Amino acid sequence: SSELTQDPAVSVALGQTVRITCQGDNLRTNYASWYQQKPGQAPVLVIYSKNNRPSGIPDRFSASSSGTTASLTITGAQAEDDADYYCYSRDNTDNHYVFGPGTKVTVL
Amino acid sequence: QVQLVQSGSELKKPGASVKLSCKASGYYFSSYAIHWVRQAPGQGLEWMGWINTNTGNPTYAHGFTGRFVFSLDTSANTANLQISSLKAEDTAVYYCARVLFGELQFWGQGTLVTVSS
Repeated sequence: SSELTQDPAVSVALGQTVRITCQGDNLRTNYASWYQQKPGQAPVLVIYSKNNRPSGIPDRFSASSSGTTASLTITGAQAEDDADYYCYSRDNTDNHYVFGPGTKVTVL
Repeated sequence: QVQLVQSGSELKKPGASVKLSCKASGYYFSSYAIHWVRQAPGQGLEWMGWINTNTGNPTYAHGFTGRFVFSLDTSANTANLQISSLKAEDTAVYYCARVLFGELQFWGQGTLVTVSS
């Protein structure tokens, strides 16, 4: 089965831009989606299908992909963006999926 | 609006079984698969598998075969997760989530299962 890797933690100054990356062989042929999770809360989908935002997700969240790396960018990070972020994608095994280990984003 | 409401917290002894439920509303239940995700205390999200709500066919992730069973009660728009022979390491929050395309668009609030003697 495939694995996804993420940096454990990143920090960003309020109002600045941060990029979170996710690497995995399966990303060469499958889109990653991204989830935000705050302590004690269920995850929230923030990006799906390459670079689409569900209703209610601010447009400061965007995504891109190249080769085996998917990225989530927060442009103009806000205090409320302080959270864990997980990438997720279809595994190379048909009908199986996998999460990355998560990145803790701290907004300073 | 779409809602997934999960059953309440459970405290179980090792070796016991537990059945969690995920009641869906606001959409046609059989049109969208339900996935299950585990999160152990202080850990990341772990994909457990999914169930086709049209056919009832389950797919289990590696490591979630044998003791874990997904099922449906389509008359109640409910997906269930049963875990048998509980171990301390099964202590976690279990989430159900409804698929959009391949993504997990809507999530339940989670059910905490604590396994302790």
